[in-house]
Amino acid sequence: DTGVSQDPRHKITKRGQNVTFRCDPISEHNRLYWYRQTLGQGPEFLTYFQNEAQLEKSRLLSDRFSAERPKGSFSTLEIQRTEQGDSAMYLCASSLGDSANTGELFFGEGSRLTVL
Amino acid sequence: AQSVTQPDIHITVSEGASLELRCNYSYGATPYLFWYVQSPGQGLQLLLKYFSGDTLVQGIKGFEAEFKRSQSSFNLRKPSVHWSDAAEYFCAVGADYKLSFGAGTTVTVRA
Repeated sequence: DTGVSQDPRHKITKRGQNVTFRCDPISEHNRLYWYRQTLGQGPEFLTYFQNEAQLEKSRLLSDRFSAERPKGSFSTLEIQRTEQGDSAMYLCASSLGDSANTGELFFGEGSRLTVL
Repeated sequence: AQSVTQPDIHITVSEGASLELRCNYSYGATPYLFWYVQSPGQGLQLLLKYFSGDTLVQGIKGFEAEFKRSQSSFNLRKPSVHWSDAAEYFCAVGADYKLSFGAGTTVTVRA
């Protein structure tokens, strides 16, 4: 399968613990995105990378959140000191682009986080 | 900043009936517009997209959408709904390197 893959698909953790999600984009895609989706809402933009550079971060991304894409391939999203409000589906997407015009994003199936 | 409004939270339609989902966007320039579908337990799948040109665009699974600049709308339609069309549908506007999504419309199909 050559689509976007995310791991783990589901993570249950206790409040205060750290969690890390991994995303492997479509191999030739230079852009990688993280979104968050809560029940009954559309995906909310968190951050995006152009190759290995993180070019934009949403205000939703508090200082407990950090994302990396060290070699311009896979990416990780880490949440430190998790809170119950962090419970959500974390979606990764990738695309091929070289301008501000945003083309189609290809989404993974998401990583669901449950904070107890 | 760009934004998307989907006025209908939930729509119920009979199998075989037509379906129309509304989407209004706010963006200063010519937008790139998208419709995605999300079935339970599945990722977001692109149904169709509008970049420029013909304002009526065809997508997968028999869906189409019409861009109306004067109304800032990009409504999704399907002439005859199948039970497998039950899902959540999201409209999105592409600008400034990212997509901004609406809150979605849940479609229920009754037999």
